[in-house]
Amino acid sequence: QLVLTQSPSASASLGASVKLTCTLSSGHSSYAIAWHQQQPEKGPRYLMKLNSDGSHSKGDGIPDRFSGSSSGAERYLTISSLQSEDEADYYCQTWGTGTWVFGGGTKLTVL
Amino acid sequence: QITLKESGPTLVKPTQTLTLTCTFSGFSLSTSGVGVGWIRQPPGKALEWLALIYWNDDKRYSPSLKSRLTITKDTSKNQVVLTMTNMDPVDTATYYCAHSQISSGADYWGQGTLVTVSS
Repeated sequence: QLVLTQSPSASASLGASVKLTCTLSSGHSSYAIAWHQQQPEKGPRYLMKLNSDGSHSKGDGIPDRFSGSSSGAERYLTISSLQSEDEADYYCQTWGTGTWVFGGGTKLTVL
Repeated sequence: QITLKESGPTLVKPTQTLTLTCTFSGFSLSTSGVGVGWIRQPPGKALEWLALIYWNDDKRYSPSLKSRLTITKDTSKNQVVLTMTNMDPVDTATYYCAHSQISSGADYWGQGTLVTVSS
């Protein structure tokens, strides 16, 4: 079964970097994912598509501070030079045979 | 510029059928590879995928909700319609539609519409 697992919460200091993790279920380590950001009281915003080889393509207007990488079944979102507006929920999403799956989301707190 | 906007009732009664419309611009659902999906988010909870329709009228549904969902498209109006039958208070959520391309996830989102189920 295709499942995405995310840690419920993460925190990092203003100006620092943070690396969020999304783990694909067993047998699905070759799958690409997408990362989405949801700021408080707003709808989701597409950040990037991240492939299993670590290559990624970002959405419109996404700053260079956001980057993605992959290792095995893990997909990472790294945010550098953290700003207050980066405090948000981050969701990963994948797809398989016409179905979509979302992870449970990670709530990022900027200290 | 791709934009999507959801519309429909803000309040429905239990057992009623919900009909939501996604009106979009900046792309055509007759273009090969293009799709539109529906996703919902109960208050304070995570995103949940509901349904997906592609340019070729291929339709996919969440297995857990498949019996209650129908997704259709009107290419001439640039609209995708989602119906959900037998609404229950647990279906209270913000409902989003999103643009996609085949073998990809959502890459443009609508603003969402909050639907409350209550008698």
